[in-house]
Amino acid sequence: DTAVSQTPKYLVTQMGNDKSIKCEQNLGHDTMYWYKQDSKKFLKIMFSYNNKELIINETVPNRFSPKSPDKAHLNLHINSLELGDSAVYFCASSQTDGYTYEQYFGPGTRLTVT
Amino acid sequence: AQKVTQAQTEISVVEKEDVTLDCVYETRDTTYYLFWYKQPPSGELVFLIRRNSFDEQNEISGRYSWNFQKSTSSFNFTITASQVVDSAVYFCALSAPNTGNQFYFGTGTSLTVIP
Repeated sequence: DTAVSQTPKYLVTQMGNDKSIKCEQNLGHDTMYWYKQDSKKFLKIMFSYNNKELIINETVPNRFSPKSPDKAHLNLHINSLELGDSAVYFCASSQTDGYTYEQYFGPGTRLTVT
Repeated sequence: AQKVTQAQTEISVVEKEDVTLDCVYETRDTTYYLFWYKQPPSGELVFLIRRNSFDEQNEISGRYSWNFQKSTSSFNFTITASQVVDSAVYFCALSAPNTGNQFYFGTGTSLTVIP
């Protein structure tokens, strides 16, 4: 069973389009995250949701909007895609009941904007 | 502020050599956690180890070992008798409850093991 899954794995689209990436975790974790990894492999946190509530919202253009329908899902919607949005996007989850535990990552979604 | 520095951008070793990946961190929190992740060429991020600030014992797992030293704010990772399958980008990360358990990743060290 896949612990953290993302769809799609690859996404190629044109500038100006709107796209979504879906993430699901079956680990029973209470917190989920979205990260962006650029071409230099730098990992940057974008959002974090704990039990469906937004707890981290880094400096990300408001074209990016996370949606958490329940604590097992955290989707990422991107409006008006730009060339600079091309990157690999990782979803992750962890348990955070007063401690800091490791995050488990999905396989990543490689977004290419042309 | 939390910060992780991985000064080694790229390392190449010949198979069977030992290699140490350096990680230096900065934090004002007394309770914090340190992590190492591996990202092989296939792209996934694989959790390797978690260590809390109150446990300075070194850890060994097979060919992998970790040296945590609070005095130098370092959490170094050593691979003994490296193998080609160890070729990957390795990330060190820091997190603290006081900062919402947000992970602060270093910039990664790309390790290439030459057969």
